[in-house]
Amino acid sequence: GAVVSQHPSRVICKSGTSVKIECRSLDFQATTMFWYRQFPKQSLMLMATSNEGSKATYEQGVEKDKFLINHASLTLSTLTVTSAHPEDSSFYICPGALSLGLEGLDTIYFGEGSWLTVV
Amino acid sequence: DAKTTQPTSMDCAEGRAANLPCNHSTISGNEYVYWYRQIHSQGPQYIIHGLKNNETNEMASLIITEDRKSSTLILPHATLRDTAVYYCIVRVGGNKLVFGAGTILRVKS
Repeated sequence: GAVVSQHPSRVICKSGTSVKIECRSLDFQATTMFWYRQFPKQSLMLMATSNEGSKATYEQGVEKDKFLINHASLTLSTLTVTSAHPEDSSFYICPGALSLGLEGLDTIYFGEGSWLTVV
Repeated sequence: DAKTTQPTSMDCAEGRAANLPCNHSTISGNEYVYWYRQIHSQGPQYIIHGLKNNETNEMASLIITEDRKSSTLILPHATLRDTAVYYCIVRVGGNKLVFGAGTILRVKS
């Protein structure tokens, strides 16, 4: 399957600081990337959808000024958590969509995600 | 995208087939059935997807009923490493993946 790499895999930051998470599709061009977060013992919740070169579309309840998403190229998307607080501590993951060229069909591939701890 | 219903948890003996059911009675004609799994503390792993016909790959088989209102993911010979949360998702190609609670599969020796 297609490979998505995320960096850093684990990060600890102080409350009030900002942290950036990078997501790269290594062997395919991801026209669309998604950002999810997952709190312990819960399912994955979609935060936003980003298409290369355009502004991200945020899900209801997700603060776009707090979670800055940049989809600079077909292989790179970044999430910056600004003014992080302990409640932002979570598992963040950014799958990329690989188009199969059949009536818009695509498959979404996940990397290993990033664990953020805000202290 | 249509909603899915899955059992909360299932147990399976190692070496036996694991059959994971999923109900999607409101599925529409252009929605595909996708299966992912998530092993503890890792990112979800794509397993298989299908539209109408049964599908098989190196990981699993997907059986979709003729009316498409339900499907079953089959892991033919479950191993301990197949213990994970399995998510059944229906979506139109190009749309986002919406995860439900999934089924916790426990493979026991």
